[in-house]
Amino acid sequence: NAGVMQNPRHLVRRRGQEARLRCSPMKGHSHVYWYRQLPEEGLKFMVYLQKENIIDESGMPKERFSAEFPKEGPSILRIQQVVRGDSAAYFCASSPPSGATYEQYFGPGTRLTVT
Amino acid sequence: QKEVEQDPGPLSVPEGAIVSLNCTYSNSAFQYFMWYRQYSRKGPELLMYTYSSGNKEDGRFTAQVDKSSKYISLFIRDSQPSDSATYLCAINKGSTLGRLYFGRGTQLTVWP
Repeated sequence: NAGVMQNPRHLVRRRGQEARLRCSPMKGHSHVYWYRQLPEEGLKFMVYLQKENIIDESGMPKERFSAEFPKEGPSILRIQQVVRGDSAAYFCASSPPSGATYEQYFGPGTRLTVT
Repeated sequence: QKEVEQDPGPLSVPEGAIVSLNCTYSNSAFQYFMWYRQYSRKGPELLMYTYSSGNKEDGRFTAQVDKSSKYISLFIRDSQPSDSATYLCAINKGSTLGRLYFGRGTQLTVWP
């Protein structure tokens, strides 16, 4: 059973460009979460999505960041007009449809570097 | 005040030692308690989760929760060099509330 998949694993963008990060949850999972990990800091929650619904986006910056989980295809975290402070590791996690949202399984992450 | 506090270490122990990793949390509303292991430049790996106060054992790992003190622990018995990683505690307010609050992680090195 394949785990959570993320791509790309590494992404380099110049300031002002857009970054698109993709996440495919584990087979059978319908809940997706995005977290950001800055150097020397812990994982910080960004957003919680189910298919076609944003459940909790309280951790998302108000501007430039958006996320979606369409009916078909992977979840996308989109960062517009990237700045150097966006450089971080972005992790996606998924949980089973049982409602046990604390049981989150993480992908390998996308490391974003803004030059 | 942060929701969860964790000493970042680093912690260095000899092979075979018993390791104790700890976190404290601030809000009694938290109900679920998780431990993750993260190797360098990898994603976090779920080790254990628990709900109630008391102990939960899985092989060489034991998770302990004391809700009255808002204190959670992870014990690793017979530690191995392959246990060298960063250990993250995480807490959650309810089974349908997805957000996890993470500690900063404790970096553990087990030397042969």
